Amino acid sequence: ETGVTQTPRHLVMGMTNKKSLKCEQHLGHNAMYWYKQSAKKPLELMFVYNFKEQTENNSVPSRFSPECPNSSHLFLHLHTLQPEDSALYLCASSPASGLVAGVGETQYFGPGTRLLVL
Amino acid sequence: ILNVEQSPQSLHVQEGDSTNFTCSFPSSNFYALHWYRWETAKSPEALFVMTLNGDEKKKGRISATLNTKEGYSYLYIKGSQPEDSATYLCAFNNYGQNFVFGPGTRLSVLP
Repeated sequence: ETGVTQTPRHLVMGMTNKKSLKCEQHLGHNAMYWYKQSAKKPLELMFVYNFKEQTENNSVPSRFSPECPNSSHLFLHLHTLQPEDSALYLCASSPASGLVAGVGETQYFGPGTRLLVL
Repeated sequence: ILNVEQSPQSLHVQEGDSTNFTCSFPSSNFYALHWYRWETAKSPEALFVMTLNGDEKKKGRISATLNTKEGYSYLYIKGSQPEDSATYLCAFNNYGQNFVFGPGTRLSVLP
C-alpha cells in the first residue's frame, strides 16, 4: 500500500457521459499529480497541484477538468471524451518541500483507474 | 521535449539469473533520476532516487548506478526471483521540471 487510493478502478463510459475520477492520499503530502498511460506509451504528466493550486497543465484538452479541493483529494472530471482517451489514469502525491512540486522528490502512486471510452 | 529511453523493452530470464537494464536521459541540467517497480494491477513503487554522478544505491538484491555526465543509469537484479517480474520504470528530473518517464523495461522471471 502506497497510501494513495483511486476510485473507481475501472470505468466504462460513452462519449456523451460525464464522470469523475477520485484520488485520495493519506500521506500528508502537499502536491498531487494526474498521469495518463496510453497503450505502448510512457506515463505522461497531465496536471500538477501544489498546495491546492494548479501549477502545471501539460497541454491537456479541456474535456479533462481537474479539481483539488484540499491537499488530500484530487479529482479528474471527464466529459465528452473520445475513444482515444481510453487509458490508465494514475494519481500520485509528493511532499512538495521545494518551490517546484515534485522536482527531485519521490512520488507515491495510486493503482490507477482503467478507463474505456466507447 | 525531453526524451528518456529504456532498454531492453522486455526481458525474459530464468530464476537465479542476474540481469541488468539501462535508462538513458539528457545529461544537461540534470537534477535527479528515479527508478520505480510496477507490478501488474498495482501501484508503481519507488525503488531509488539518485542525484549525484557516480551514485550507487542498493536495496536487497536490486542495485542501481548513475552516470550523469554521459546520461545513463543501470539497474541490476542479482539472482532474479519470480516475484521480481514487473515493469521497471525510470523517471528523469532536470532543474525546475517534473518527471519525464521512460517507456519501461518489462521483466519476466521464469521459474
